[in-house]
Amino acid sequence: EPEVTQTPSHQVTQMGQEVILRCVPISNHLYFYWYRQILGQKVEFLVSFYNNEISEKSEIFDDQFSVERPDGSNFTLKIRSTKLEDSAMYFCASSGIDRDDEKLFFGSGTQLSVL
Amino acid sequence: SQQGEEDPQALSIQEGENATMNCSYKTSINNLQWYRQNSGRGLVHLILIRSNEREKHSGRLRVTLDTSKKSSSLLITASRAADTASYFCATRLTGGGNKLTFGTGTQLKVEL
Repeated sequence: EPEVTQTPSHQVTQMGQEVILRCVPISNHLYFYWYRQILGQKVEFLVSFYNNEISEKSEIFDDQFSVERPDGSNFTLKIRSTKLEDSAMYFCASSGIDRDDEKLFFGSGTQLSVL
Repeated sequence: SQQGEEDPQALSIQEGENATMNCSYKTSINNLQWYRQNSGRGLVHLILIRSNEREKHSGRLRVTLDTSKKSSSLLITASRAADTASYFCATRLTGGGNKLTFGTGTQLKVEL
């Protein structure tokens, strides 16, 4: 079964450093998403991406965050200057466009630790 | 207040028993979905119910939706130890684009 893959699985960084989280969505999907989950808390929406542009973003997704689809397969989340409160599990997800494709497929996540 | 709130927060049952989890939401939805998350892993889609549907089944899963009460329930019948996980409801809001808004989750533990 096709799956969403994320790298790295763990990322440790110093406060103020830039990080790039990488994702390879399912190949025929057209919508891409980033969510995050702080330990023990709910899964929070960050951003959705369609047709090479952001289609929706949350209040969390401020100017420190950016997303990019640099080629036909990768989808990245960049945090320019990490803060302690950015420590969380970051999930990439993708979905199709048809009526029957409204479910999201999630990757296994990148655990980001900001020290 | 949150769009998706689930209860109970935690549920512990014996293998073979049924598990029921409830989800309440605030605003009009297009559909409601249930996801499962094993510890430290990604979320896996279980079942989707549309706003014009009242009940849906998939294997040992039964989902109901009451749009007048803005609530849904997930029933897992004949639970197994392997069902131990966190379960989240997620709503796609009417006119809310394609994003899903997740609930707070129910931690289910099925003991042998």
